[in-house]
Amino acid sequence: DAGVIQSPRHEVTEMGQEVTLRCKPISGHNSLFWYRQTMMRGLELLIYFNNNVPIDDSGMPEDRFSAKMPNASFSTLKIQPSEPRDSAVYFCASKEWNTEAFFGQGTRLTVV
Amino acid sequence: QKEVEQNSGPLSVPEGAIASLNCTYSDRGSQSFFWYRQYSGKSPELIMFIYSNGDKEDGRFTAQLNKASQYVSLLIRDSQPSDSATYLCAVNHDMRFGAGTRLTVKP
Repeated sequence: DAGVIQSPRHEVTEMGQEVTLRCKPISGHNSLFWYRQTMMRGLELLIYFNNNVPIDDSGMPEDRFSAKMPNASFSTLKIQPSEPRDSAVYFCASKEWNTEAFFGQGTRLTVV
Repeated sequence: QKEVEQNSGPLSVPEGAIASLNCTYSDRGSQSFFWYRQYSGKSPELIMFIYSNGDKEDGRFTAQLNKASQYVSLLIRDSQPSDSATYLCAVNHDMRFGAGTRLTVKP
């Protein structure tokens, strides 16, 4: 298996623009997680899905953030409108129930 | 809010020493515990998981779990400069992480 695949690896955008991050989980995994990592706040859990259903989105910082998982092999995290303080590395991870999570390579987002 | 706490460090140990990393958690019903290592600029990768009270050993790494006291620790024996990284603790299926402890092993 190719592992968790995230795209793009790097994204530079202007403040106010819409940003969409993409994630393909490992085949057969039924849980998917979105994280944001910054030096100040560490690795924050934004939202996670079980069987494509959002279970806990309490970590989503604002209404500007939204996440979807239309099927078992694809998820998106959207920021609209983006702000400079959204600059961070965003990780996607997937797992089976009660096993370890596997991380993608991350998307480094810079909002200027 | 379920919390996972780690001492952010930095922790510095000499090469060959034992590094001890600690993690506490607030949810008394927690069942599964994971230790990840993250090198600068890389993704977190699993070192060990532990489900039962007591010790679990894997090479130079030992995870220790004490559910009564709600803590899990990671010991690294014979620390090497290549162990220098940030170590992250995660709890349960919802994979909430602590802030991580930055470890530096000095030659």
